[in-house]
Amino acid sequence: NAGVTQTPKFQVLKTGQSMTLQCAQDMNHNSMYWYRQDPGMGLRLIYYSASEGTTDKGEVPNGYNVSRLNKREFSLRLESAAPSQTSVYFCASLRRQGLDTEAFFGQGTRLTVV
Amino acid sequence: GESVGLHLPTLSVQEGDNSIINCAYSNSASDYFIWYKQESGKGPQFIIDIRSNMDKRQGQRVTVLLNKTVKHLSLQIAATQPGDSAVYFCAENGGGFKTIFGAGTRLFVKA
Repeated sequence: NAGVTQTPKFQVLKTGQSMTLQCAQDMNHNSMYWYRQDPGMGLRLIYYSASEGTTDKGEVPNGYNVSRLNKREFSLRLESAAPSQTSVYFCASLRRQGLDTEAFFGQGTRLTVV
Repeated sequence: GESVGLHLPTLSVQEGDNSIINCAYSNSASDYFIWYKQESGKGPQFIIDIRSNMDKRQGQRVTVLLNKTVKHLSLQIAATQPGDSAVYFCAENGGGFKTIFGAGTRLFVKA
């Protein structure tokens, strides 16, 4: 049971470089999310996709773009990385069963922008 | 704006004692609350949730209490074990697909 898989686990970028963080889930969940976590802080929502074919901005979308490639995959792109984007990025998918919901998180991608 | 915060950034307890982690929220429209556990180097893991029409919900060794009057919820861990050492986040959802996380409380369990 893979759950939510993120790649890469670690990445160092130079300011201005671009990259795409990959996320895939094998639980057939409709909703997927990208969060960033900074030291000593909670998770902040960057973008989410309620279902295949839709994406919406979260709390901190500036500097990022997303693509919901299919039901399984939800990627996060940094077009021109900035040091302020140094963070740990988590992808999550959401299971909804009636009124119950549960989020499943990936292991995280630790990104450093120098 | 909406916010979810925690009263205590760190909590240190003796193994075997009970732990209580507190959380305050500001959005009175939130109707669903979740506690997550995050171990070092890992993603958050769901522990327990509660809906606003409940005051208390129990799981295995964990209990969540919700006080809507003062917009406060707590996570109680019975007989705390070294494996419980982690950062605990409360999160709220006011409907839709957005979940707002608090800053987290680090729990240290002393052997």
